[in-house]
Parts: sequence; structure tokens; C-alpha cells
Amino acid sequence: DAKTTQPPSMDCAEGRAANLPCNHSTISGNEYVYWYRQIHSQGPQYIIHGLKNNETNEMASLIITEDRKSSTLILPHATLRDTAVYYCIVRVAGAAGNKLTFGGGTRVLVKP
Amino acid sequence: GAVVSQHPSRVICKSGTSVKIECRSLDFQATTMFWYRQFPKQSLMLMATSNEGSKATYEQGVEKDKFLINHASLTLSTLTVTSAHPEDSSFYICSAALPGTGGPFGAFFGQGTRLTVV
Repeated sequence: DAKTTQPPSMDCAEGRAANLPCNHSTISGNEYVYWYRQIHSQGPQYIIHGLKNNETNEMASLIITEDRKSSTLILPHATLRDTAVYYCIVRVAGAAGNKLTFGGGTRVLVKP
Repeated sequence: GAVVSQHPSRVICKSGTSVKIECRSLDFQATTMFWYRQFPKQSLMLMATSNEGSKATYEQGVEKDKFLINHASLTLSTLTVTSAHPEDSSFYICSAALPGTGGPFGAFFGQGTRLTVV
């Protein structure tokens, strides 16, 4: 699986949008971009995924550049409960045996 | 979404004893489950891939005789930490992928098990 690079930490203000960048310059054409987050002492939680089009769900939006070498996760209105470590992962979809490999992630602290 | 449940959520054991952690997929069948370990302030490290009905595949550096994995049914995988020592104290997390596609939803994770060896 392609490697990803994320800033180690980020602060954002409650109620404001949080934009989390991720570089994946070696991504292959059949690899999806997945985002997970891990709140302290819990298992990771799926947020969103995409291949090349921008995606939006009730939790977040995912913007993928045209060359697919980077992406941005957007939390539109950050709350204190969004404080967590956010992981960007690229992975080939299509088989249940495809494992997820976690990098360092971005530690997001939402401040009042 | 799919639910993966781990048990116990916390366990304290004495050095030299063995501890079993269960991972269940509650509303789907998982032919493949994954076991991760996470030390404080570090990322998740994949330990092994658990395959229903066959032997687990261990990542490099993970002792298969120390971390016994059994995936006897499509909804249950177990990780047994044998002869536990204080350095095995960690947060253990399992995950399971939806069958067939493997994602696009990727994998779903259990809530984790905090193991403390004293």
C-alpha cells in the first residue's frame, strides 16, 4: 500500500472548519483514500473514503486533487468531540483480506 | 454500520499467565480479521491477519508462539497472549472487513482491549 504523510498535530477552534491534509504521492490507480479517526482509548472509527471524486457524508467532506497525490479531510464545524487522531490511509479495495496500514496520523485538538 | 465487538475491554493479569481476547463480528460474517497493537502515543501496528479455517499470517517480528490466534468461525477470532510479561502491556485492537468487497468501507474496528501485565 502507498505511504501517506500527515502533519503530526493541529489545533482548531470549536465551530470552525478543520482542514486536515494528507500527501499520498505514490498512490496507485486502484487505491482508495480512507480516513479514520481514533478517539482516546477507543478503536478507530471510519469517516469517509474516495477514489478520485470529492465525497461528502454526514461526518465530513473529502477533497482529492486531480492528480490524486494529495487529499484534504474537512470537518465543517468542529466540536470538542472531534478531538482525536485522524489517519489517512490508501488501500486497494476489492478483497476482504486487504489490510489497513496506519501511519502516524494527525492529532487534532479542538479548542473552545 | 457493521459492528465489531471485543471482550474484555480491560484486563489485568499476572506475569507468566495467559490472556485471551475475543473479537466478534456481530452482524456480518468475516472470513478475515486483523489484530493490531498500540503502545501509548503511537500508531496502530498490525500484528497478524486471522483467516477463518486456516493459520494466521503474522507480521515480521511478531512471535506466533506468543500471540496465538484462532479464527474458528466466521464471527469469532481470538488472540491469546501466552506467558504474558509487563512489556506485553498494550492496547490490542481487532478489525474485520466486510466480506466480498473488503471495503470500500475498509474495515470496522472493535473498541479495543487494554492489557496490563503486573
